[in-house]
Amino acid sequence: AQSVSQHNHHVILSEAASLELGCNYSYGGTVNLFWYVQYPGQHLQLLLKYFSGDPLVKGIKGFEAEFIKSKFSFNLRKPSVQWSDTAEYFCAVNNQAGTALIFGKGTTLSVSS
Amino acid sequence: GAVVSQHPSRVICKSGTSVKIECRSLDFQATTMFWYRQFPKQSLMLMATSNEGSKATYEQGVEKDKFLINHASLTLSTLTVTSAHPEDSSFYICSALDRTSAAKNIQYFGAGTRLSVL
Repeated sequence: AQSVSQHNHHVILSEAASLELGCNYSYGGTVNLFWYVQYPGQHLQLLLKYFSGDPLVKGIKGFEAEFIKSKFSFNLRKPSVQWSDTAEYFCAVNNQAGTALIFGKGTTLSVSS
Repeated sequence: GAVVSQHPSRVICKSGTSVKIECRSLDFQATTMFWYRQFPKQSLMLMATSNEGSKATYEQGVEKDKFLINHASLTLSTLTVTSAHPEDSSFYICSALDRTSAAKNIQYFGAGTRLSVL
């Protein structure tokens, strides 16, 4: 079955620490990969996406993610987190433009100042 | 960017009552809308897909008579939870696409509705 796995349920970091959130997927064929962020009380916002090409993608707010096909992974990274990065992060995948997404369970990031 | 408004953000109701959740695309025509559901500590699960001019397509295991979806116009979709029971308590999120964003594979999400059934 198609699925997305996020390894970390809750990550707690201090400001300026580096961040890496794991995401693995189980999906046949071509995949489109996404990371979304949800700040408290707000809607899901797209951080970055990978469709094809350079497997290292850069998104908003200093985030980046690397698609490693051999590992079926799409980990999210940020060199130095800020208190304002406190939020819920979701990895998602689909295989065709305009279709519904399959989401991971989400990772709660708490950054202390 | 495109904005999707979801209302209400939170609703508490008694068991047996029906609850309607609205999802509006504010500055674009939504040719496709999705309804997701999220249980605590679980992922968002697709409930149904609603395309312009057609009835909603429900995912396996989702009761279409219990979760009524109406894509009333190109800017409004509603999800009605009929005869709600405590097990329907959950977080419901909608997303929307127009033809341009569908081609770009970008969904725009509402802020979600937390339903609590007593």
